[in-house]
Amino acid sequence: AQSVTQPDIHITVSEGASLELRCNYSYGATPYLFWYVQSPGQGLQLLLKYFSGDTLVQGIKGFEAEFKRSQSSFNLRKPSVHWSDAAEYFCAVGPREVQNFVFGPGTRLSVLP
Amino acid sequence: DTAVSQTPKYLVTQMGNDKSIKCEQNLGHDTMYWYKQDSKKFLKIMFSYNNKELIINETVPNRFSPKSPDKAHLNLHINSLELGDSAVYFCASRGLGAGELFFGEGSRLTVL
Repeated sequence: AQSVTQPDIHITVSEGASLELRCNYSYGATPYLFWYVQSPGQGLQLLLKYFSGDTLVQGIKGFEAEFKRSQSSFNLRKPSVHWSDAAEYFCAVGPREVQNFVFGPGTRLSVLP
Repeated sequence: DTAVSQTPKYLVTQMGNDKSIKCEQNLGHDTMYWYKQDSKKFLKIMFSYNNKELIINETVPNRFSPKSPDKAHLNLHINSLELGDSAVYFCASRGLGAGELFFGEGSRLTVL
């Protein structure tokens, strides 16, 4: 069965600092990988996704993520964090079949002024 | 035009009552989901329907009954509400060929 881990429950960074959120997955084949963001009181918004091809993917709001098959990782990065990036971030894995899209436990990002 | 819309956004009710949450998507997707997000923000899949057919039914009390009248709608009915049912319930849809999930804004259920 597939699973997703996000080792960091809560990360605090200063505004303008760089950010990396970790995601590791367990899946038997190459999965579809996603990062979502949830602002307080809101639904989930897709930041970026990886299906195949270039392992460095660009997303919205200046985020990028790199798929590393050897490490079963899909870490999210941003070179300079803005105060509005404070939110909950979820990594997710979805198989090529339509069923069973699995989310990690989430990482809460706080941004210091 | 909201792609995935849920109503109501907030429900506050007493233990033992029955409540329903409605979801509609206008994306033409074949698959719809219900997720439960608990107070620790953990997202757990509850049900999935593909073209009105139930395909995922996780370990959920049978007080929860999904209904899909057509592939654009997936409703969630909850009988005999309990305190532990308090959560945010998200509806989502996904297109054929396994694209990303599109989420509604969530329905916050509070059981008193």
